[in-house]
Amino acid sequence: DGGITQSPKYLFRKEGQNVTLSCEQNLNHDAMYWYRQDPGQGLRLIYYSQIVNDFQKGDIAEGYSVSREKKESFPLTVTSAQKNPTAFYLCACRRNTEAFFGQGTRLTVV
Amino acid sequence: EDQVTQSPEALRLQEGESSSLNCSYTVSGLRGLFWYRQDPGKGPEFLFTLYSAGEEKEKERLKATLTKKESFLHITAPKPEDSATYLCAVQDLGGSQGNLIFGKGTKLSVKP
Repeated sequence: DGGITQSPKYLFRKEGQNVTLSCEQNLNHDAMYWYRQDPGQGLRLIYYSQIVNDFQKGDIAEGYSVSREKKESFPLTVTSAQKNPTAFYLCACRRNTEAFFGQGTRLTVV
Repeated sequence: EDQVTQSPEALRLQEGESSSLNCSYTVSGLRGLFWYRQDPGKGPEFLFTLYSAGEEKEKERLKATLTKKESFLHITAPKPEDSATYLCAVQDLGGSQGNLIFGKGTKLSVKP
């Protein structure tokens, strides 16, 4: 079955540590997105990519980085510069006007 | 500035008690309006896309409608398994990245 997969489901980060969240899709969609979800807030866009080897900052890109070396993969790195990284992270892919989400990664700072 | 507002924030229904969720939006031009269902700890599940005023779509007990300023998600005779957070999002014609602008969601609880 085609789909979009995020891993890991839970991730713990120590202060000052970089961590990478994985997002893989086999839907052959060109566009991929990373969102952050906090309690009581709507989803906020971190980064997006329309094609391989190209990506753009979203509304809250500070402290995050991404790469898009393959169409299927769009990993997100949460760097030590992100001061409040504890959140639920969602990856999505889109073709035309339909967007599909992964199951999310919950990141906690310990 | 594009905005999406959902109401109410939370809604409690008895099983079988029909109701509606509201999503009002302000965009320069609407490319599409989307409804998602999200269960706790999971990613949003796509429900509907609406493109123009007057359009309606149905899926089981859910029916989505669209006007020029808002969308309604009607839930007919809900069951406990319909309990979830329902998210509304819009895509602006003027947006270059295809980004979806999300509301904060309506948390629906259906009691047996």
